[in-house]
Amino acid sequence: QQQVKQSPQSLIVQKGGISIINCAYENTAFDYFPWYQQFPGKGPALLIAIRPDVSEKKEGRFTISFNKSAKQFSLHIMDSQPGDSATYFCAASKGAGRRALTFGSGTRLQVQP
Amino acid sequence: EAEVAQSPRYKITEKSQAVAFWCDPISGHATLYWYRQILGQGPELLVQFQDESVVDDSQLPKDRFSAERLKGVDSTLKIQPAELGDSAMYLCASSSDRVIGYTFGSGTRLTVV
Repeated sequence: QQQVKQSPQSLIVQKGGISIINCAYENTAFDYFPWYQQFPGKGPALLIAIRPDVSEKKEGRFTISFNKSAKQFSLHIMDSQPGDSATYFCAASKGAGRRALTFGSGTRLQVQP
Repeated sequence: EAEVAQSPRYKITEKSQAVAFWCDPISGHATLYWYRQILGQGPELLVQFQDESVVDDSQLPKDRFSAERLKGVDSTLKIQPAELGDSAMYLCASSSDRVIGYTFGSGTRLTVV
């Protein structure tokens, strides 16, 4: 059972554009929703995370939008840069920090110069 | 900045051979996770430790995989015998109750030939 569904599988954006990646979850017990960035040959690195008590969180060019009723959350990358080209994973966990993360399938982002 | 250390970075082994991976989590992190990431997919949990105790190993193929964290600090994941389908990135992560977040190591890329 895939508990976190991520789309799109791949995304091509022009430099300066907005990249949007969406995730949906099934388990209402999830209470921590991070996004990870992964470059080839490297481990995932935390970008930004949100708890379900807020609907939006912004850190620099990265914003998470969270819709608890729809069980969906999304990552927006503003002013996308070629250096943002990587694979992005959404994830979720319950008992944040005490239980394992369940990951989405990943989105390969390519930002064209 | 504190890091999760993993070794080796790369490992090539013949099928039916034994292989082992090592992880040293961030100091003070009581929870340690081993994930397997097949190329093009999201990481999937193999085993979770709380201190030296296994919390969740429901997805660990116990006929060939074993994991230990004897002193509640570093951990070893072993595969014996390795199969072609075990080729993947093996990621270690750690977390703490005090600060929400999961930190991943750079992983061990295993190729079984």
